[in-house]
Amino acid sequence: SQKIEQNSEALNIQEGKTATLTCNYTNYSPAYLQWYRQDPGRGPVFLLLIRENEKEKRKERLKVTFDTTLKQSLFHITASQPADSATYLCALEEGGKLIFGQGTELSVKP
Amino acid sequence: DADVTQTPRNRITKTGKRIMLECSQTKGHDRMYWYRQDPGLGLQLIYYSFDVKDINKGEISDGYSVSRQAQAKFSLSLESAIPNQTALYFCATSDLGQHFSGNTIYFGEGSWLTVV
Repeated sequence: SQKIEQNSEALNIQEGKTATLTCNYTNYSPAYLQWYRQDPGRGPVFLLLIRENEKEKRKERLKVTFDTTLKQSLFHITASQPADSATYLCALEEGGKLIFGQGTELSVKP
Repeated sequence: DADVTQTPRNRITKTGKRIMLECSQTKGHDRMYWYRQDPGLGLQLIYYSFDVKDINKGEISDGYSVSRQAQAKFSLSLESAIPNQTALYFCATSDLGQHFSGNTIYFGEGSWLTVV
């Protein structure tokens, strides 16, 4: 079965900088990959979906890339703000269900 | 009102007790899920249901059971709770019709369960 690896170390960056989070998977390339945001004690919230035939997807300050050769997705937040501080999870589908990485905590300092 | 509602939101129970977590959704989705989250371990899938007559075990189903009472309702039971089942539990839904467009999941607010 698929294994998803996200950097377990928290990412600390300064306000205004670009945050880059990594998601690696181990087996076959999924048809699509998703990114979610989770605030402490709250349920994850869907942010972006990128399909295997898409190299890049953007939504406002967010950008996701998908490299099926490297088996990797990168999630970027440009012009980061303290309000972007949260845990970000990547997820992919296997057998009709979504499996999640453990998430990377992002902290944006003013 | 939330689209995915979980009750109770917080519960403390004793070892050996039976506890049920209930989930209802107003999104009209066919698929429902129960996940467990422990600090640093991410979300682990306990059970999932693609429709009312379909129930499937996830990664960590031992010690848990589920019931899909209707399209909108999916409950999770711990028949005999043990302390290592202390965790944050999430119910979630997704739309079967969206499957080939991306199986986006909508989560409830979570239920904190403490087993003492």
